[in-house]
Amino acid sequence: DAGVIQSPRHEVTEMGQEVTLRCKPISGHDYLFWYRQTMMRGLELLIYFNNNVPIDDSGMPEDRFSAKMPNASFSTLKIQPSEPRDSAVYFCASSLGAGYSPLHFGNGTRLTVT
Amino acid sequence: QKEVEQDPGPLSVPEGAIVSLNCTYSNSAFQYFMWYRQYSRKGPELLMYTYSSGNKEDGRFTAQVDKSSKYISLFIRDSQPSDSATYLCAMSAGGNNRLAFGKGNQVVVIP
Repeated sequence: DAGVIQSPRHEVTEMGQEVTLRCKPISGHDYLFWYRQTMMRGLELLIYFNNNVPIDDSGMPEDRFSAKMPNASFSTLKIQPSEPRDSAVYFCASSLGAGYSPLHFGNGTRLTVT
Repeated sequence: QKEVEQDPGPLSVPEGAIVSLNCTYSNSAFQYFMWYRQYSRKGPELLMYTYSSGNKEDGRFTAQVDKSSKYISLFIRDSQPSDSATYLCAMSAGGNNRLAFGKGNQVVVIP
């Protein structure tokens, strides 16, 4: 299995621009998570899906952030408009369960907003 | 108080030393405990998984859980330069409850 695939690996954009991050989970995993990692705050859960349905989006910082999962093999995280404080590494992870199954992470998208 | 506390201070040890990492937590409902290893510019990967209290050993790695003290530990014996990474603890009450992560400990093993 190729594991969780994220794209792009790096994204540099200017403040105010729209940013779209993409994720392909491991086939057969029915949970998908979006995390953000910074030095100051560590790993923060933004949102997670079960069977393509958003279950908990309480970690989404603002309305500027939105996430979709149109099918079992694809998810997007969109930031519109982007701000410098959104600069972080964004990880997608998938698993067979929510709280007891290990997460399988992608290698992340490093976002820099100037 | 945060759900999971992990002192993020970097740790440098000479090759061959024992590395000791720990996390404390406040939620007594936690019963699934994990350690993830994260290499630079990579995603975290599962290293150890423990259910409830007790010890688990896997090669040079030992995970300990003390639920009465709400304290978990990871020990790395005979540390190698390839062990240089950030180690994150994570735990959950199970079911649909999400994993709560510590901030991670950066470990550097000096040859």
